Amino acid sequence: QVQLVQSGTEVKKPGASVKVSCKASGYIFTNHAISWVRQAPGQGLEWMGWISAYDGNTNYAQKFKGRVTMTTDTSTRTAYMELRSLRSDDTAVYYCARQLSKDPDPFDYWGQGTLVTVSS
Amino acid sequence: DIQLTQSPSFLSASVGDRVTITCRASQGIGSSLAWYQQKPGKAPELLIYAASTLQSGVPSRFSGRGSGTEFTLTISSLQPEDFATYYCQQLNNYPRTFGPGTKVDVK
Repeated sequence: QVQLVQSGTEVKKPGASVKVSCKASGYIFTNHAISWVRQAPGQGLEWMGWISAYDGNTNYAQKFKGRVTMTTDTSTRTAYMELRSLRSDDTAVYYCARQLSKDPDPFDYWGQGTLVTVSS
Repeated sequence: DIQLTQSPSFLSASVGDRVTITCRASQGIGSSLAWYQQKPGKAPELLIYAASTLQSGVPSRFSGRGSGTEFTLTISSLQPEDFATYYCQQLNNYPRTFGPGTKVDVK
């Protein structure tokens, strides 16, 4: 069965960086893109960007350009999201999600989420 | 960016009720809309995509309609496990925006 397993809770200081991992299993990794979505406490869902697991192409939301890098390691079937220059308003649960491999490409499987807390 | 609005923001209902949630897009998106359900402390789950296609494993009491700028999610007979927050998402343009959510709770 398809599973996306994310890395554990992170606590970071303002200005630091965080790298969240998302290990995939149960499907052909390179056949599906991965999106990253975050959710601040008590708030809605915010799409951060997308990476093709096939060729590494990315598309980042304008809000995060320059601060986020998404990568994949096909040998370990793992996607990564690094966010730099953290601020308190980056405190959120970060999700990875698999995209269907046909248009439109909704997010059909999600990781369990990784809580990132930014606090001095 | 395409903005999505949802109405209502909150909805109180009883088991067995028919519930309809509306999602409106700031510009036409064809049928490129998905609906997700999220329960507290859990990741969202895909219910419907392409406006009306039921995701595998999702009960048939969920249905979606619409195209262009106006879409609806209907639960034909609300079940106890359906009390949750529902989000729409447009898949026509980047960034892939979500609606603000509709919380369905117990009347």
